Amino acid sequence: EDKVVQSPLSLVVHEGDTVTLNCSYEVTNFRSLLWYKQEKKAPTFLFMLTSSGIEKKSGRLSSILDKKELFSILNITATQTGDSAIYLCAVSSGTDKLIFGTGTRLQVFP
Amino acid sequence: SAVISQKPSRDICQRGTSLTIQCQVDSQVTMMFWYRQQPGQSLTLIATANQGSEATYESGFVIDKFPISRPNLTFSTLTVSNMSPEDSSIYLCSVESWGKSGYTFGSGTRLTVV
Repeated sequence: EDKVVQSPLSLVVHEGDTVTLNCSYEVTNFRSLLWYKQEKKAPTFLFMLTSSGIEKKSGRLSSILDKKELFSILNITATQTGDSAIYLCAVSSGTDKLIFGTGTRLQVFP
Repeated sequence: SAVISQKPSRDICQRGTSLTIQCQVDSQVTMMFWYRQQPGQSLTLIATANQGSEATYESGFVIDKFPISRPNLTFSTLTVSNMSPEDSSIYLCSVESWGKSGYTFGSGTRLTVV
């Protein structure tokens, strides 16, 4: 059965800290791994990763995929209170549908 | 990437009634996906809607409870039927976006059943 597992489930940090969120997966016919940020209802797209070892970067956020070990990490440096959200990892398989992980709830305090 | 208009944004409904959620996409798409997010949980795929054929439901979801329509390539509806408090969730539609932006989501419908 396809599955996506995220850790930690919850994280509480202070502004300025650096955090690393983890995502491991077991799916058949892997196509891509995606990271989303969910603050209210709709997830907003952060990254899509298809190749191993190539870091994607957007401001203070970065992500990398390891297709051999079947995991990805999302790094956030110099965290801000606006980074507080649920971060979702999802994997797209050959059936075109997304399989979501449990999410990591990040809380950043001033 | 595609832009999706989803409505209603939220609703409070009586148990035993039904609610229809609509998603309108600004471009033609082959597949539309419907997700449910129960309180404190992640997103779970309900079904995949293709134009011109019946929706494909995931394990644990049935057409009688969640009928879906897909009359054309830009529009779909999900109905939550005979609601109970356990149906209180966020419901989201999604489409695959061409290019590098993955899948796009509608703005979501927060349903509360009382």
